[in-house]
Amino acid sequence: GENVEQHPSTLSVQEGDSAVIKCTYSDSASNYFPWYKQELGKGPQLIIDIRSNVGEKKDQRIAVTLNKTAKHFSLHITETQPEDSAVYFCAASLTYGNKLVFGAGTILRVKS
Amino acid sequence: DTAVSQTPKYLVTQMGNDKSIKCEQNLGHDTMYWYKQDSKKFLKIMFSYNNKELIINETVPNRFSPKSPDKAHLNLHINSLELGDSAVYFCASSQEVQGYEQYFGPGTRLTVT
Repeated sequence: GENVEQHPSTLSVQEGDSAVIKCTYSDSASNYFPWYKQELGKGPQLIIDIRSNVGEKKDQRIAVTLNKTAKHFSLHITETQPEDSAVYFCAASLTYGNKLVFGAGTILRVKS
Repeated sequence: DTAVSQTPKYLVTQMGNDKSIKCEQNLGHDTMYWYKQDSKKFLKIMFSYNNKELIINETVPNRFSPKSPDKAHLNLHINSLELGDSAVYFCASSQEVQGYEQYFGPGTRLTVT
């Protein structure tokens, strides 16, 4: 089955700096890659996603890149703010059944 | 308006008891899920229902039984609770025709003592 690895497990950055979180997946048939942000005591919130027919997607300060050949995808957050502090999860899934397999999460701390 | 809601938010119970967690979505989605998040924050899918039909059933003890009375509701019943069942349980929903985006509820923190 699919396996998703996520790095780093923790990331501390200064406010205003960029943050990059990387994930690799094992099943070349996976074609949907979402990123979720989870704040303390809350459920995961979808922040951006990318499908296998696209190499990059941006939404304001966040962007995701996908390299299908290498089977890895990354989340980029620019101009980080204290409210970006949270746990970020990557995930991968096949089309059928929408079964999401999650990475282990990255704790992002933005220091002001 | 809350898109995906769960009740209760906290559940503390003793080993051996039976408990249920309820989930409702008002997004008009046709697919609903249960995920378990353990103490290390790892998220793993348990079940998925599409139009009230079970389509994903991961390796979960048969003490866990999901029930979907209609497309908007997916409940999780747990029999003979064990210490290892302590976790946060999340409900999620998606609409396949609109893509694969899954929207999560706020979670139910289950503590078994």
